[in-house]
Amino acid sequence: GESVGLHLPTLSVQEGDNSIINCAYSNSASDYFIWYKQESGKGPQFIIDIRSNMDKRQGQRVTVLLNKTVKHLSLQIAATQPGDSAVYFCAENIGYGQNFVFGPGTRLSVLP
Amino acid sequence: GAVVSQHPSRVICKSGTSVKIECRSLDFQATTMFWYRQFPKKSLMLMATSNEGSKATYEQGVEKDKFLINHASLTLSTLTVTSAHPEDSSFYICSACGGLAYEQYFGPGTRLTVT
Repeated sequence: GESVGLHLPTLSVQEGDNSIINCAYSNSASDYFIWYKQESGKGPQFIIDIRSNMDKRQGQRVTVLLNKTVKHLSLQIAATQPGDSAVYFCAENIGYGQNFVFGPGTRLSVLP
Repeated sequence: GAVVSQHPSRVICKSGTSVKIECRSLDFQATTMFWYRQFPKKSLMLMATSNEGSKATYEQGVEKDKFLINHASLTLSTLTVTSAHPEDSSFYICSACGGLAYEQYFGPGTRLTVT
């Protein structure tokens, strides 16, 4: 299930199931988005990106969907594995050389 | 992909001392580097934007005299936390942007603990 509160939202899934992590972004001018994975004590690791002229992009076991109408981004992980357990951040960018604005993050816990 | 390193990865210092954190782009020239701060279980918050050869641009609420940023070369930016206090304890992460790539590459982060 998913919980939102004072702590980081958490999504718990069974190993082998698919995971869907959602993100609402803030700036309608944002034209580039990245999903990052962050493991404890480490910097963000690039997973997949998408530009605003696309609504879907697929990588290896991951798919990003972009809905510009409602400013929503999602990350789908197929056949979730224990190694996928981490905090996932979406980040939006309004142009080259500009900083990324990060979402609040979602902790993914993979249950055995 | 491009590699960004940070040094040190972890530092513990006493209150009142200054700490310098280095961010290096190892295989590309970074015209712009960003410094972020991350509190436990929180997202990354931009502190400042650093362009090579010019003064850094600080976000609102970030004290520029407290967090000194120098971007003297296309491969190195430094963040100095001056007169550190326990509330400065945090995870500091840099990212580098350069070349024709749109993407930014993040360093592994530096854990600062001020006692």
